[in-house]
Amino acid sequence: SAVISQKPSRDICQRGTSLTIQCQVDSQVTMMFWYRQQPGQSLTLIATANQGSEATYESGFVIDKFPISRPNLTFSTLTVSNMSPEDSSIYLCSVIPYNEQFFGPGTRLTVL
Amino acid sequence: DAKTTQPTSMDCAEGRAANLPCNHSTISGNEYVYWYRQIHSQGPQYIIHGLKNNETNEMASLIITEDRKSSTLILPHATLRDTAVYYCIVRANDSGGYQKVTFGTGTKLQVIP
Repeated sequence: SAVISQKPSRDICQRGTSLTIQCQVDSQVTMMFWYRQQPGQSLTLIATANQGSEATYESGFVIDKFPISRPNLTFSTLTVSNMSPEDSSIYLCSVIPYNEQFFGPGTRLTVL
Repeated sequence: DAKTTQPTSMDCAEGRAANLPCNHSTISGNEYVYWYRQIHSQGPQYIIHGLKNNETNEMASLIITEDRKSSTLILPHATLRDTAVYYCIVRANDSGGYQKVTFGTGTKLQVIP
């Protein structure tokens, strides 16, 4: 299994600012995944983060808006840049060690 | 990634079996069927997965049809704490070796006292 923690658990931010979300895993994993869940919606994959290389972004998501760091095999950050109210969502990181996917508790972001 | 379709919502009486269907008609031969659930304001929780045989664990049973185009998650004795959104997904490996997962809209299960 994998235990994932995220910081912050929630935040309220002003339009135009940026927020960096941290994800810590208790074991080494090759890939970490960042998801967004808008209010009342399902999960949407933002990007896949590999240690030592640039993240791979899904259609509709770009590095300038959601820069990702992956400095080692247990940690990653996602930054939500130049925020607008449309960025209000829950952001979740996830890992798949072996054949089972684990999710962090999520970061609930509200942009005013 | 293969797409899945699920009913938007279902109700189940407490103590009864909850049967949640999922269609995945374009599933590939090497793709597994996974079920997760998300209780309000929490991250999704793994329930069970299978390839082609029926599977059972302490949480649920998974029945996959012989042609693998559909499956059913069974919660044998639903409790109020099983009220959640249940996601059926299939796992794919793309050419880069990524294990990318696509979530559908899920089924909102309401367990009624």
